[in-house]
Amino acid sequence: QVQLQESGPGLVKPSQTLSLTCTVSGGSISSGGYYWSWIRQHPGKGLEWIGYIYYSGSTYYNPSLKSRVTISVDTSKNQFSLKLSSVTAADTAVYYCARGLIGGVIQYWGQGTLVTVSS
Amino acid sequence: QSVLTQPPSASGTPGQRVTISCSGSSSNIGSNTVNWYQQLPGTAPKLLIYSNNQRPSGVPDRFSGSKSGTSASLAISGLQSEDEADYYCAAWDDSLNAHVVFGGGTKLTVL
Repeated sequence: QVQLQESGPGLVKPSQTLSLTCTVSGGSISSGGYYWSWIRQHPGKGLEWIGYIYYSGSTYYNPSLKSRVTISVDTSKNQFSLKLSSVTAADTAVYYCARGLIGGVIQYWGQGTLVTVSS
Repeated sequence: QSVLTQPPSASGTPGQRVTISCSGSSSNIGSNTVNWYQQLPGTAPKLLIYSNNQRPSGVPDRFSGSKSGTSASLAISGLQSEDEADYYCAAWDDSLNAHVVFGGGTKLTVL
């Protein structure tokens, strides 16, 4: 069964860029058919879809975040990454990476990592 | 403000049947399938129902989903204490910038 693990700094300063990596095990990102996603959850709040990438590099982003988000994939390392620029306290959240299908079905989730934006 | 609308809370006693609603629009639920996720306290969400009414392997048949027009529902029969969790509906949205939209979540309490 596929497993996903987020990694990256737990604390980011305002105006800087948040960078997270998701390492996939139990399956190959380049095998195709799946969409590699990032979702976040503000403390005590609901889920917010950030975007996803196909192994070929095609991306879809949440329009509310599109101007600040970049999702990329490194098939040689079986990883995909999230960059969110110009962060503010409003970007403090638990960030999940996940594997999904076309149409947004999210099959498997990582355990999530809390990122706090604070000086 | 979430694009899909869910009641913030629901409750039931063990053995009861409860339903959670999810309301959207023609650009999301009205033209795409609905998925449901269960988030137990302190854990990551888990796929519970996909394509309106399909259960992934391992999900008990006590959980069922349905869709009609621009609304969907999740039903849980034979309610158990371990069903106490947050439940989220989600769908693809075909608006100008296509993306996944979630409901605000429903906290289910087993009394």
